[in-house]
Amino acid sequence: DTEVTQTPKHLVMGMTNKKSLKCEQHMGHRAMYWYKQKAKKPPELMFVYSYEKLSINESVPSRFSPECPNSSLLNLHLHALQPEDSALYLCASSQGSGTGNEKLFFGSGTQLSVL
Amino acid sequence: GIQVEQSPPDLILQEGANSTLRCNFSDSVNNLQWFHQNPWGQLINLFYIPSGTKQNGRLSATTVATERYSLLYISSSQTTDSGVYFCAVEGMDSSYKLIFGSGTRLLVRP
Repeated sequence: DTEVTQTPKHLVMGMTNKKSLKCEQHMGHRAMYWYKQKAKKPPELMFVYSYEKLSINESVPSRFSPECPNSSLLNLHLHALQPEDSALYLCASSQGSGTGNEKLFFGSGTQLSVL
Repeated sequence: GIQVEQSPPDLILQEGANSTLRCNFSDSVNNLQWFHQNPWGQLINLFYIPSGTKQNGRLSATTVATERYSLLYISSSQTTDSGVYFCAVEGMDSSYKLIFGSGTRLLVRP
């Protein structure tokens, strides 16, 4: 199984809502990532978890709150988002050797619209 | 931080044609990957190629790390090759920080 599964595929939320994006992998990977991709732009790194610990936060606003409950799951909690946060949110995983330099596998993404 | 430039930004091919996509990077890297993003947004990892040459069917890639560039070759293109091709790199002191270039948007016409 070489799949990263993301749910939901589409999400529409208001600026006062709280929602969560979910990501799951069963490849035994120990590094998991959140990327954000705006239309016609490349993916931008948001967070990296290594062995369930947050190792990289690319100065992401606090209205985005990541969580890694176990080695297979990664969540992104959303609260008080702005319309400019509308984007495709991509989850990825890699083996997690502790030194980076690894092949990434991506999920199909959650297309988020903030009204 | 490290800069990644891809060329050309856009490419239109007739089915069956060959093409070469280029990725230049501004500093030494220990990780370079090529991805294809299909029209539905799915990013598929084509190659993990920090150096050397690899082939996978009609696709091949070469990275010359000492000269800071990588090339992706597509031969006998098919309409299903359409989409955006991204090069992504990780700097020597940037574990897990894979940085994407701006991509090459490819359209293959039947």
